[in-house]
Amino acid sequence: EVQLVQSGAEVKKPGESLKISCKGSGYSFTSYWIGWVRQMPGKGLEWMGIIYPGDSDTRYSPSFQGQVTISADKSISTAYLQWSSLKASDTAMYYCASSIAGAPFDYWGQGTLVTVSS
Amino acid sequence: DIVMTQTPLSLSVTPGQPASISCKSSQSLLHSDGKTYLYWYLQKPGQPPQLLIYEVSNRFSGVPDRFSGSGSGTDFTLKISRVEAEDVGVYYCMQSIQLLMYTFGQGTKLEIK
Repeated sequence: EVQLVQSGAEVKKPGESLKISCKGSGYSFTSYWIGWVRQMPGKGLEWMGIIYPGDSDTRYSPSFQGQVTISADKSISTAYLQWSSLKASDTAMYYCASSIAGAPFDYWGQGTLVTVSS
Repeated sequence: DIVMTQTPLSLSVTPGQPASISCKSSQSLLHSDGKTYLYWYLQKPGQPPQLLIYEVSNRFSGVPDRFSGSGSGTDFTLKISRVEAEDVGVYYCMQSIQLLMYTFGQGTKLEIK
């Protein structure tokens, strides 16, 4: 069974760093792109970026370029989304999603809620 | 940047009645390879989104046949032939005409009367 399991909810202060994870199982992790999607409270979906774990080829939405870093460790089938200095406006649910069955984002993680507050 | 515009932003439907959501893109989603890269997702309350339709009109695995997609170029429609209570949530269209670049519509909230 294909699964994307994300790390748990985080509460951070502005200026702190954070790395959240998405672990894939039940499929060949290195063979399919994994993307990250932001959903701010009460708002819609925003595509942030995408990585190919096989060679770490990474693309970013212009809106998120320079704001976050996407990476992957294929040895443990895990993708990451990272911030070096969080802002209150980073408060959101973050989803990972992979394109395993031939369409973009056909499998989704359960989401990681990030709350940034002083 | 490609902009995706959905209408309406919300709709209230009686169970058993049809529903229709429109999605318009700011440029054609027809690729030179002949495919049209338009997708539909449903986010049920408290859940991650789920893929309903890929490449305009193809239902993803397990999606009931009351859901159908149509359209071409810049104008697309998702139709539910007979709405059921489990169909409540927010529906999003998404484009990927540019390789590895994606844009979602703003979402359409479906509720049951």
